[in-house]
Amino acid sequence: EVHLVQSGGGLVQRGGSVRLSCVVSGFTFRRRWMSWVRQAPGKGLEWVANIKEDGSAKYYVDSVKGRFIISRDNAENALYLQMNNLRVEDTAVYYCARDDAGFDYWGQGTLVTVSS
Amino acid sequence: EIVMTQSPATLSVSPGERATLSCRASESVSRDLAWYQQKPGQPPRLLISGASARATGIPARFSGSGSGTEFTLTISSLQSEDFAVYYCQQYNNWKTFGQGTKVEIK
Repeated sequence: EVHLVQSGGGLVQRGGSVRLSCVVSGFTFRRRWMSWVRQAPGKGLEWVANIKEDGSAKYYVDSVKGRFIISRDNAENALYLQMNNLRVEDTAVYYCARDDAGFDYWGQGTLVTVSS
Repeated sequence: EIVMTQSPATLSVSPGERATLSCRASESVSRDLAWYQQKPGQPPRLLISGASARATGIPARFSGSGSGTEFTLTISSLQSEDFAVYYCQQYNNWKTFGQGTKVEIK
């Protein structure tokens, strides 16, 4: 059975940093692209970033380029999102997801709240 | 950026009735289109990928169609557990979502 278990997040001040983690089991992590997707309170879904199987390619939505860093540790089956210089508009539930033709498995989500 | 537009924003349907949700892309995405269902407090669930292929465990009452810029998700006979928000998403050029269609009980 596939599981994506997230941790991290919480309340952070504007300009601050936070790191999200996502530990995966139930599939061969090192063979799959992975993504982060976010959802602001009461709003729709927004893809944030993804990373190739071996970590050699990373892509970001324009609004987070230069501030967020996606990474992975294939030995630990873990995906990360380092979020720096946070803005109030980054407040959202962040989900990790397996990135295939669509996002077929999702973590439970973790709320990041950026206060002004 | 490819903009995905869903209609209607809200769809009121009685249990047992058919629901038809639309999704339009601002440019062709071929068949690189997925549909998701989301209930409050839960992550989205993949229903359809490749415009028409049901994901594992998805009931046959859910079907997807379309290609290029016009796509449809049909729920043939709404069950109580189907009342939720539905999103389309293209993965042809980066990844963008529609704004969602809420399916509510009439």
